[in-house]
Amino acid sequence: EVRLVESGGGLVKPGGSLRLSCATSGFTFTNYSMNWVRQAPGKGLEWISSVSSTSIYKHYADSVKGRFTVSRDNAKNSLYLQMSSLRAEDTAVYYCATTPHGYRALGFMDVWGKGTTVTVSS
Amino acid sequence: EFVLTQSPGTLSLSPGERATLSCRASQSVSRSYLAWYQQKPGQAPRLLIYGASNRATGIPDRFSGSGSGTDFTLTITRLEPEDFAVYYCQQYGDWLAFGGGTKVEI
Repeated sequence: EVRLVESGGGLVKPGGSLRLSCATSGFTFTNYSMNWVRQAPGKGLEWISSVSSTSIYKHYADSVKGRFTVSRDNAKNSLYLQMSSLRAEDTAVYYCATTPHGYRALGFMDVWGKGTTVTVSS
Repeated sequence: EFVLTQSPGTLSLSPGERATLSCRASQSVSRSYLAWYQQKPGQAPRLLIYGASNRATGIPDRFSGSGSGTDFTLTITRLEPEDFAVYYCQQYGDWLAFGGGTKVEI
């Protein structure tokens, strides 16, 4: 069974940092690109970052570029999102999701985790 | 900036009726790299359609996608009670972007 489990969310003050993790199992991690997508309370989906299987390609939405860094550890079958200079508008549920090819980071997302909640507030 | 506009914002229908959801892109979507997702309250999104018209694994055939260029459509031929949800389109051609969503309500 394919599983994606996000962790690391919580309450952080504006300007603070947080590192999200996505532990995966049930599939060959190195065959997949990986994504982070967030959803602010009551709002729609917002793509924020993608990384190809070997980390050659990394892409970011303008809203997080320069503040967030995506990485992956293929030995641990895990995806990460380092978030810094956090703002109130970064408050959201953060999902990790797979893209079923590894060579191009951009793609559709076929399996999603349940998400982890990040709240940025003083 | 690549923008996907979904319409209508809300669709009010009854079980058994046909639902037609629209997704319009501000630029042509290369290779019809357009996907559709369903999201129910408190749940993660679920992939329905990729490549504009290909059903994902396990998706019932009452869901179908069509379109090319800048205009795409998701059709649900006969709404089942479990189909009432929010639907998002996403393009993954030259960049990644989601539309704002269409809520299908009873």
